[in-house]
Amino acid sequence: GENVEQHPSTLSVQEGDSAVIKCTYSDSASNYFPWYKQELGKGPQLIIDIRSNVGEKKDQRIAVTLNKTAKHFSLHITETQPEDSAVYFCAASKRANDMRFGAGTRLTVKP
Amino acid sequence: ETGVTQTPRHLVMGMTNKKSLKCEQHLGHNAMYWYKQSAKKPLELMFVYSLEERVENNSVPSRFSPECPNSSHLFLHLHTLQPEDSALYLCASSQEVGQHGYTFGSGTRLTVV
Repeated sequence: GENVEQHPSTLSVQEGDSAVIKCTYSDSASNYFPWYKQELGKGPQLIIDIRSNVGEKKDQRIAVTLNKTAKHFSLHITETQPEDSAVYFCAASKRANDMRFGAGTRLTVKP
Repeated sequence: ETGVTQTPRHLVMGMTNKKSLKCEQHLGHNAMYWYKQSAKKPLELMFVYSLEERVENNSVPSRFSPECPNSSHLFLHLHTLQPEDSALYLCASSQEVGQHGYTFGSGTRLTVV
């Protein structure tokens, strides 16, 4: 089955800097890659997703890139703010009921 | 609120108790899921329902029993749990099973004593 690895497990940046979280997946048939943000005491919230027919997608300060050849995808957050502090999860799926999540990255943005 | 509501938010139960977790969504989604979230581990898929029919049971012990009476409600019945079952249990829904973003509830923090 699919295996999703996520790095780093913790990331600390200064406010205003950029943050990058990387994920790799094992199944080349995977074609849908969402990213979730989980704040303390809440469930994960979908923040951006990308499908395999696209190499990059942006939404304001958040962008996701996908390299199908290398089987990795990354989340980029620019101009980080303290409210970006949370745990971020990547996921990959190739078909119905086959979504696999990474172990998460705890991002801390220091004011 | 995300549109997916889970109750209770916190639950402490003994190993011999029987309790139920409830999940409700009014987003018009056809798929609902139970996930287990333990510290420093990836989210673990437990059960998947599509249009009230169970489509996946991910090798979950029988002490966890799901129920989906309609496409808006999902339950997880618990009995004779073990301390290692203590975790955050998350419910999610999506338009269809699989390749759509999930909407998660805030979870039930379960402690088995």
